[in-house]
Amino acid sequence: AQSVTQPDIHITVSEGASLELRCNYSYGATPYLFWYVQSPGQGLQLLLKYFSGDTLVQGIKGFEAEFKRSQSSFNLRKPSVHWSDAAEYFCAVGAAGTYKYIFGTGTRLKVLA
Amino acid sequence: DAEITQSPRHKITETGRQVTLACHQTWNHNNMFWYRQDLGHGLRLIHYSYGVHDTNKGEVSDGYSVSRSNTEDLPLTLESAASSQTSVYFCASSDKGQVIQETQYFGPGTRLLVL
Repeated sequence: AQSVTQPDIHITVSEGASLELRCNYSYGATPYLFWYVQSPGQGLQLLLKYFSGDTLVQGIKGFEAEFKRSQSSFNLRKPSVHWSDAAEYFCAVGAAGTYKYIFGTGTRLKVLA
Repeated sequence: DAEITQSPRHKITETGRQVTLACHQTWNHNNMFWYRQDLGHGLRLIHYSYGVHDTNKGEVSDGYSVSRSNTEDLPLTLESAASSQTSVYFCASSDKGQVIQETQYFGPGTRLLVL
């Protein structure tokens, strides 16, 4: 069955610390992978996406993600977290030629001053 | 600036009432989507449309309907609201291309409580 797993429901980091949010997927077809961020009271905003090519993808706001096919993972990273990064982060997967995202359940990030 | 708006932002209704949530985008995007967001489930697709007069069911479409009479709007109707439909609803749109590669742009959401 198709699925996306974000194993960490909540993560707390100190401002300036590095961050890694985990995402694992199960999908039979070639996956298209996305990370979205949802700030409080806001809609989702695309951070980055991976379709093919270089497995290290750069996104907005200093985020990057690495696609590892052997591990079925697409983890999101940031070297130094800012207080404004506090939000909920969603990983999603889709198949080529389809309309449909499958979203993970999200990871809520708290940033300590 | 182009944008996608939803109204109302918050709604309280009673079981059995008909409710319509509005979604309006000014990007002239062909594709529009409705999702619901519930704890433990992420976002799930309710209905989607690839253009005027086109509508399609998503994975959780029971009890919901949509109609697309113009490019800008895709209202979501709950025919007879149920407590299980208490949720946060997000509208999204994307440009031409019925493919996942097109970035979806999300509205701010509508929080619906069914009593």
